[in-house]
Amino acid sequence: QVRLQESGPGLVKPSESLSLTCTVSGGSISNSYWSWIRQPLGKGLEWIGFIYYNGITNYNPSLKSRVTISIDTSNNQFSLRLGSVTAADTAVYYCARSPTKWEPLYNWGQGTLVTVSS
Amino acid sequence: DIVMTQSPDSLAVSLGERATINCKSSQSVLYSSNNKNYLAWYQLKPGQPPKLLISWASTRESGVPDRFTGSGSGTDFTLTISSLQAEDVALYYCQQYYDNPPWYTFGQGTKLEIK
Repeated sequence: QVRLQESGPGLVKPSESLSLTCTVSGGSISNSYWSWIRQPLGKGLEWIGFIYYNGITNYNPSLKSRVTISIDTSNNQFSLRLGSVTAADTAVYYCARSPTKWEPLYNWGQGTLVTVSS
Repeated sequence: DIVMTQSPDSLAVSLGERATINCKSSQSVLYSSNNKNYLAWYQLKPGQPPKLLISWASTRESGVPDRFTGSGSGTDFTLTISSLQAEDVALYYCQQYYDNPPWYTFGQGTKLEIK
């Protein structure tokens, strides 16, 4: 069973960048699509973007100008960088996996709360 | 973008009673070439990884109790919990994975509580 675990700072200052890493265990990071999703407190889920193991990415147009997702296949990790954050980026951030981009998200991490505040 | 709209936003049901959550997409998520609806349901509980309950609108995932049933096609979908248990208290989301951009869109969520 593939397991995912998010890690990174829980507090980020406004205008700075948010950086999170997702570590995949129990399986290879190859041959799957790896997504980041967030849930602002009291709001619904928002897909941020995904990366394929070969490095091809696709981002939500609403966040595209500020988002970079990268992958480190040697360490079974992928990462999220969100630039120029504001309080509106305060959310629980999840990483997740789908076998192909035409399938749902079968495996999720338990999420990590990131607060944007000075 | 395909917009997913769930109803109701919140729902209180007595233990053992039926709970019904609806999800409507702004355009069809039925792919005619394979006759599959690209629609999933997820359950979110605090401190736990979100759980995929239903894929392809009606395929129950392994380990999901059979009291959970997904139905519908095209633009209108339903998640039914036939006999509510205490452990079913959670947030429920529908999601389409048919059209892009953006690749995945979710409904606004439904909060299910015990009456």
